[in-house]
Amino acid sequence: DVKVTQSSRYLVKRTGEKVFLECVQDMDHENMFWYRQDPGLGLRLIYFSYDVKMKEKGDIPEGYSVSREKKERFSLILESASTNQTSMYLCASSNDRPSYEQYFGPGTRLTVT
Amino acid sequence: RKEVEQDPGPFNVPEGATVAFNCTYSNSASQSFFWYRQDCRKEPKLLMSVYSSGNEDGRFTAQLNRASQYISLLIRDSKLSDSATYLCVGLSGTYKYIFGTGTRLKVLA
Repeated sequence: DVKVTQSSRYLVKRTGEKVFLECVQDMDHENMFWYRQDPGLGLRLIYFSYDVKMKEKGDIPEGYSVSREKKERFSLILESASTNQTSMYLCASSNDRPSYEQYFGPGTRLTVT
Repeated sequence: RKEVEQDPGPFNVPEGATVAFNCTYSNSASQSFFWYRQDCRKEPKLLMSVYSSGNEDGRFTAQLNRASQYISLLIRDSKLSDSATYLCVGLSGTYKYIFGTGTRLKVLA
């Protein structure tokens, strides 16, 4: 069974704080992703990584950065948290051929006050 | 126009009913498709991949119609536990997963 874990289920931070969200997968997947999910907007891609130390911007990268130093670990960093970054953050991993199936972690519900 | 569109529902059906959801996509370059199930405040969980030839997993059947650019999910003999939001996902290339906003299903006793 694919397992994707995230460091926190719930997090409350203050405006201006630096926030780290960690994600670990145990299936040796090449690709890892960070999404945020907001009501009515669906899942939106923040960043993804297709290899160690490689990263690509998604649809909404502003205000975020990422780090992938090891294959199994992908971190999302909010340099200076703002209230509009209050959201559910979902990490996912996938492999390439043949299936491309993507698996999600349990999510981190972040509230910025 | 959204790249992947779904009827948001809710679809309210009695236990034991058969229910079908459609999802349309606009990017003809999308090669792979998936259905995910998402429970309230939980992560999406992969329900099934959708193959060109169609595929079935127990009570669930998925179909792909490339000519009309839609995929479908059929649930037979609905259970209370099937109540959830069903997300349609298309994949273009290797990394671009496009998610629909989901169709909400409520199965009623």
